[in-house]
Amino acid sequence: QQQVKQSPQSLIVQKGGISIINCAYENTAFDYFPWYQQFPGKGPALLIAIRPDVSEKKEGRFTISFNKSAKQFSLHIMDSQPGDSATYFCAPRGTGGFKTIFGAGTRLFVKA
Amino acid sequence: NAGVTQTPKFQVLKTGQSMTLQCAQDMNHNSMYWYRQDPGMGLRLIYYSASEGTTDKGEVPNGYNVSRLNKREFSLRLESAAPSQTSVYFCASSPGGGGNYGYTFGSGTRLTVV
Repeated sequence: QQQVKQSPQSLIVQKGGISIINCAYENTAFDYFPWYQQFPGKGPALLIAIRPDVSEKKEGRFTISFNKSAKQFSLHIMDSQPGDSATYFCAPRGTGGFKTIFGAGTRLFVKA
Repeated sequence: NAGVTQTPKFQVLKTGQSMTLQCAQDMNHNSMYWYRQDPGMGLRLIYYSASEGTTDKGEVPNGYNVSRLNKREFSLRLESAAPSQTSVYFCASSPGGGGNYGYTFGSGTRLTVV
């Protein structure tokens, strides 16, 4: 029951570059679209999130772009830094609020 | 500012042994969750508790039981551990089931079943 497909699996970006991670979903009954960031040995932490009535949200260097008709949303990291090296998960949440489906994750490495 | 606290951080079990993973949150959240994380598979929901006194199955509940002890605490029990349950287990909490907020996660329990 693969409802969420995240790509790429891994990504290497030069410092100062743009990192782009994509997430495609199948279930239309999602109402909240977050991205989580996870460092080794730690739990995931909420990074940024968007509701389906908005097409874009920006917080500092992080931007979510949301395409409802294509059932896709993406994370853009501008001016990527070595400290951004982590695993990123998209995790759309089902309506009703208790069934969040995590993507398989993207390992980002930012080269200094 | 502890957030979500999980114990233990590491555990090695023999096949057939039982154990309980403990989780406590100090944010007055209503909802709590147990996830397992395996390489290449993201996080999968085992059980959740929408509010104190309720628990429901997630995607992979077989081999596990949970107890919502009170509003702060939500434990996960493995009655007869199997090697397939080797994983990293995360507890999370949220204010409720909807709204513009995500989950707060603990730092995880790394469990190995031999």
